[in-house]
Amino acid sequence: GNSVTQMEGPVTLSEEAFLTINCTYTATGYPSLFWYVQYPGEGLQLLLKATKADDKGSNKGFEATYRKETTSFHLEKGSVQVSDSAVYFCALDSGGGADGLTFGKGTHLIIQP
Amino acid sequence: DAGVIQSPRHEVTEMGQEVTLRCKPISGHNSLFWYRQTMMRGLELLIYFNNNVPIDDSGMPEDRFSAKMPNASFSTLKIQPSEPRDSAVYFCASSWGKGYTFGSGTRLTVV
Repeated sequence: GNSVTQMEGPVTLSEEAFLTINCTYTATGYPSLFWYVQYPGEGLQLLLKATKADDKGSNKGFEATYRKETTSFHLEKGSVQVSDSAVYFCALDSGGGADGLTFGKGTHLIIQP
Repeated sequence: DAGVIQSPRHEVTEMGQEVTLRCKPISGHNSLFWYRQTMMRGLELLIYFNNNVPIDDSGMPEDRFSAKMPNASFSTLKIQPSEPRDSAVYFCASSWGKGYTFGSGTRLTVV
């Protein structure tokens, strides 16, 4: 079956530091890959996505590249801000939007001023 | 578009009571999903519907849980009887094949 593994944290960084959150996956076929962000007390918001190998998703300074050879989709940001503090979820969809997302456990990111 | 709308936002109930969570998907989306989020287990897919038809309910933890989608604009998740271990945040999401949109969730506390 499908599975997603990501570092669980918490990850604590200082403002303006470089961020990497690792994510690897196991899936049949050619899944689409996603990063979602959850701010305290809120639902999940799509941060970025990639639908095929070597695609790079990007949004709000965050980037992730779909690496099929290493089955990875690591999230990066060059300079984090306090407002980036949240829980980040890596997820995959192997059903074309019809049978749901498989999520990692989530990574709690804390940015200190 | 108002997005996926869930109600109530918060629910506190006593053990043994029936709880009904509600979801209104985005108009035009043909798939609907119910997820449960807990600290221990993360986000779990409970059940999903395509074109109002339940496709896979293998994630429903017990027979105490049931879900319905009587039409394209409404779904319910019911727990009867509720237990303290059902305390969690329940999310509804809808999709049209190009991506998923999540509601704000219902935080359920069973005491």
